[in-house]
Amino acid sequence: SQELEQSPQSLIVQEGKNLTINCTSSKTLYGLYWYKQKYGEGLIFLMMLQKGGEEKSHEKITAKLDEKKQQSSLHITASQPSHAGIYLCGADGAPGGTSYGKLTFGQGTILTVHP
Amino acid sequence: KAGVTQTPRYLIKTRGQQVTLSCSPISGHRSVSWYQQTPGQGLQFLFEYFSETQRNKGNFPGRFSGRQFSNSRSEMNVSTLELGDSALYLCASSPGRTGGSVSNEKLFFGSGTQLSVL
Repeated sequence: SQELEQSPQSLIVQEGKNLTINCTSSKTLYGLYWYKQKYGEGLIFLMMLQKGGEEKSHEKITAKLDEKKQQSSLHITASQPSHAGIYLCGADGAPGGTSYGKLTFGQGTILTVHP
Repeated sequence: KAGVTQTPRYLIKTRGQQVTLSCSPISGHRSVSWYQQTPGQGLQFLFEYFSETQRNKGNFPGRFSGRQFSNSRSEMNVSTLELGDSALYLCASSPGRTGGSVSNEKLFFGSGTQLSVL
């Protein structure tokens, strides 16, 4: 079965600093999702990457997919306290997206941003 | 458009009891998935329903069951509760497609039901 490993497990940064979270898969990535979660709440969709080399940005968050390395990275530029939370990567392990609602998630990265 | 709605938000039960959780997907979404989230195991897939049929199932015991109604609303039931069932249960919906090759769809999650088993 597919496993996703996120690094680092936790991150504390000063407001305004840039940061990167990595997600490495044990198998081929057919679709990689990034979500953000506030503790005890639901997941908020950030981005979905499907093709090797694909890069997407939304506001100050950029995500890239390196298919060959079976890895994705999430980069936040000029972090703000509003970026604090738990970042989770999720992967669809089936080609063509036939896993029917089943995503395998990493263990999450806890981000703290100090004002 | 209203998001995914889960009820109740919090639930406290005792061992041996059973519990039913409810999920209303985004209007027009036909696929509903359920996940369990615990500090130790993280997010784990329970099952997925589409058009009242279970299409996929995770590695959970038979005490965990679900169903979907004709309006796409879904319920999840856990019987004979154990302490280890204490978790945040999340429901997610997506448009869903029938047959053939299914392209990746993003899942929209609800706020979850926090279940505590005493």
